[in-house]
Amino acid sequence: DTAVSQTPKYLVTQMGNDKSIKCEQNLGHDTMYWYKQDSKKFLKIMFSYNNKELIINETVPNRFSPKSPDKAHLNLHINSLELGDSAVYFCASSQDTMNTEAFFGQGTRLTVV
Amino acid sequence: AQSVTQLDSQVPVFEEAPVELRCNYSSSVSVYLFWYVQYPNQGLQLLLKYLSGSTLVKGINGFEAEFNKSQTSFHLRKPSVHISDTAEYFCAVSNTGGFKTIFGAGTRLFVKA
Repeated sequence: DTAVSQTPKYLVTQMGNDKSIKCEQNLGHDTMYWYKQDSKKFLKIMFSYNNKELIINETVPNRFSPKSPDKAHLNLHINSLELGDSAVYFCASSQDTMNTEAFFGQGTRLTVV
Repeated sequence: AQSVTQLDSQVPVFEEAPVELRCNYSSSVSVYLFWYVQYPNQGLQLLLKYLSGSTLVKGINGFEAEFNKSQTSFHLRKPSVHISDTAEYFCAVSNTGGFKTIFGAGTRLFVKA
């Protein structure tokens, strides 16, 4: 069983489109995250939710909107996609907000053309 | 605010040689420290973590790291590397109050035959 699963794994889309990435964890964790990894492998946190409540919202354009329907799911919706949004997006979860260990999904490679 | 510096962007090494990947951090409060590994086209996987107690931490795949508070370092070591250790390695820090983990820029370990 996959602990943290993301769909889709690859996403190619045109500028201006709206797209969503879905994430689910079956670990029973309370906290979930979205990270963005750029072409130089730099990993930056975007959002964090704890029990469906937003607790971290880094300086991210408001075209990015996370949604957590329940504590096992954290989806990422992106409006009006731009070339600079091309990256690998990782979902992760941890047992609580103490960040003692994060479990990562396989990533979604988003390419905006 | 916390920060993490990985001093080497790339480390080439021959198979069966020892390796050290360097990591320094800065923080005004107590921290948790982590090393993650990312194999090609995969998510990050925890190698080891320091939360408290013994400053020498052993992880998976024969890796270990030593927490040095006076030098604010958490270097990763392995006495004999294998080709399969070729990957990107990330050092990360979070404060003991939780909420956010900061990742270093990564070190690409390339093991040559």
